[in-house]
Amino acid sequence: ETGVTQTPRHLVMGMTNKKSLKCEQHLGHNAMYWYKQSAKKPLELMFVYNFKEQTENNSVPSRFSPECPNSSHLFLHLHTLQPEDSALYLCASSQERRPYEQYFGPGTRLTVT
Amino acid sequence: DAKTTQPPSMDCAEGRAANLPCNHSTISGNEYVYWYRQIHSQGPQYIIHGLKNNETNEMASLIITEDRKSSTLILPHATLRDTAVYYCLGGKLIFGQGTELSVKP
Repeated sequence: ETGVTQTPRHLVMGMTNKKSLKCEQHLGHNAMYWYKQSAKKPLELMFVYNFKEQTENNSVPSRFSPECPNSSHLFLHLHTLQPEDSALYLCASSQERRPYEQYFGPGTRLTVT
Repeated sequence: DAKTTQPPSMDCAEGRAANLPCNHSTISGNEYVYWYRQIHSQGPQYIIHGLKNNETNEMASLIITEDRKSSTLILPHATLRDTAVYYCLGGKLIFGQGTELSVKP
């Protein structure tokens, strides 16, 4: 595998379910990011991790819980989501010193029913 | 809020240069301008970035005005595969609505 991979690519979950999104980067980067892209809306930065430490949380509801066990892996744990949380969730990585040069994964298309 | 403004859409003929403008009059002197594009149903792709000088890479050229209030991304020979939404970012990781570029045969 090369670049940034995300699994699953598609996910349908009920509002009472618990699920996790996984992101893995094979680029030797040390910063990782979660974004949300809703229909007809711009990308929204959710979380930033540098060297496994969370450095940014853009007022994301607690039903989204990120985890970064090492510099190559990033998870987004989901629980008791709402239908308006349906969106494309994108993971990206970069060198910590070059946050403007990010490499994105293909995204997970999430539908909350 | 995004620090940049872009036209919502543009058309370009295949094989011609596509010139995408961006206004970023409020960015500070040490903030970079960077460009991404997003092809439908894919993750965004980094294109290029610059601070003061014009930049060129294998994908595009970036022309930044001397006062740094605006810039232009140039795709020298647009192809159908360049059809995408192009985002200009200024200083912060805030994506606006971007410019939807349609390259037509």
